[in-house]
Amino acid sequence: AQKVTQAQTEISVVEKEDVTLDCVYETRDTTYYLFWYKQPPSGELVFLIRRNSFDEQNEISGRYSWNFQKSTSSFNFTITASQVVDSAVYFCALSEAGGNNRLAFGKGNQVVVIP
Amino acid sequence: NAGVTQTPKFRILKIGQSMTLQCTQDMNHNYMYWYRQDPGMGLKLIYYSVGAGITDKGEVPNGYNVSRSTTEDFPLRLELAAPSQTSVYFCACSPTDNSGANVLTFGAGSRLTVL
Repeated sequence: AQKVTQAQTEISVVEKEDVTLDCVYETRDTTYYLFWYKQPPSGELVFLIRRNSFDEQNEISGRYSWNFQKSTSSFNFTITASQVVDSAVYFCALSEAGGNNRLAFGKGNQVVVIP
Repeated sequence: NAGVTQTPKFRILKIGQSMTLQCTQDMNHNYMYWYRQDPGMGLKLIYYSVGAGITDKGEVPNGYNVSRSTTEDFPLRLELAAPSQTSVYFCACSPTDNSGANVLTFGAGSRLTVL
């Protein structure tokens, strides 16, 4: 069974500080995909990033970066130089190959950026 | 291109009433999903469908029913509303590919309150 754990519930940072969100996952499959979604106060779910289980290369995209480590089953997400518009709930999710694209979500991290 | 459209956006029900949450997509995707989001609990899968005429239970199906008569529509039925069904409901769709890699497109959500 797949499981995603986001231990931190609410994280408050002052604008321009960096914030890192932790995600730990469990799966028995060798082929799987990890996602981060953003849910701003307006409520919609916005896709941010996807990684497959064979691609451990970390990436930076603008102010966002991701750290994927299979050895620790972690897929952490960092916002650099946070802005007020980054205030949102961030969800980590897992999809297993052959699982009909069903996503297992973590409980989410509420990020509050204080101006 | 509307993507995934959910109606209604808000609804208040009395205990024991029935209602249907509508979901329609214009992306020609075969895979569709219903999730519910409770505060601090992430999203949990209620039902999903891999094509017209095919539906299957997710993690939390009790108290709900679905049907899939067309590719475009995937309504969610609550037969006897209970306070435990107070939640935000999200419909989603994904391309017809069981790799697990596909990004789900979500609707804007339907907020349901049962009193």
